[in-house]
Amino acid sequence: QKEVEQNSGPLSVPEGAIASLNCTYSDRGSQSFFWYRQYSGKSPELIMSIYSNGDKEDGRFTAQLNKASQYVSLLIRDSQPSDSATYLCAVSTYNQGGKLIFGQGTELSVKP
Amino acid sequence: KAGVTQTPRYLIKTRGQQVTLSCSPISGHRSVSWYQQTPGQGLQFLFEYFSETQRNKGNFPGRFSGRQFSNSRSEMNVSTLELGDSALYLCASSISGGAPETQYFGPGTRLLVL
Repeated sequence: QKEVEQNSGPLSVPEGAIASLNCTYSDRGSQSFFWYRQYSGKSPELIMSIYSNGDKEDGRFTAQLNKASQYVSLLIRDSQPSDSATYLCAVSTYNQGGKLIFGQGTELSVKP
Repeated sequence: KAGVTQTPRYLIKTRGQQVTLSCSPISGHRSVSWYQQTPGQGLQFLFEYFSETQRNKGNFPGRFSGRQFSNSRSEMNVSTLELGDSALYLCASSISGGAPETQYFGPGTRLLVL
């Protein structure tokens, strides 16, 4: 079992729709959860971080964390073509903060 | 504040050679982590340095090594290059490498081994 797993994708949604990206993790000691966006040929950039159960909203983005189910998700509302990228879920544990474990990424395509 | 910088941006090497990549963290950041990204394996953690000491290490062979200088700049070295080492090498910095901290990525060094 991979430590961090994401929907394999690609995920295609029409412009204006909600895109839902999912991630599960295996280490119950995981404490910090991050969503990075990576455009083709570029480096990852942080979209959201979440540390406690529940929802965290930032503009069009909402991260949801359920530690009991070892599940973290990212919702993108009013999806735009500029949101087309690969979304990476990353996890770190308390005693290994400098080490991020990444999922394989989900490629999102937003069609005009 | 200037972001994370990496040099060189592109490299072409042949099998058996060695290569050194450099990373300058964001000013004030003391933790530097290195990652390898390939289409098949995704983003994989190589190692993390903090205060000139390697604090975490991923599952890579000993051919991959690194160091950190007193100004927090870091280098990674790959000896005896193999074709499979062709990848995008990313470094990321954070203030102290604590779990809640965000890691900020540099633009990466794209290495091609022929």
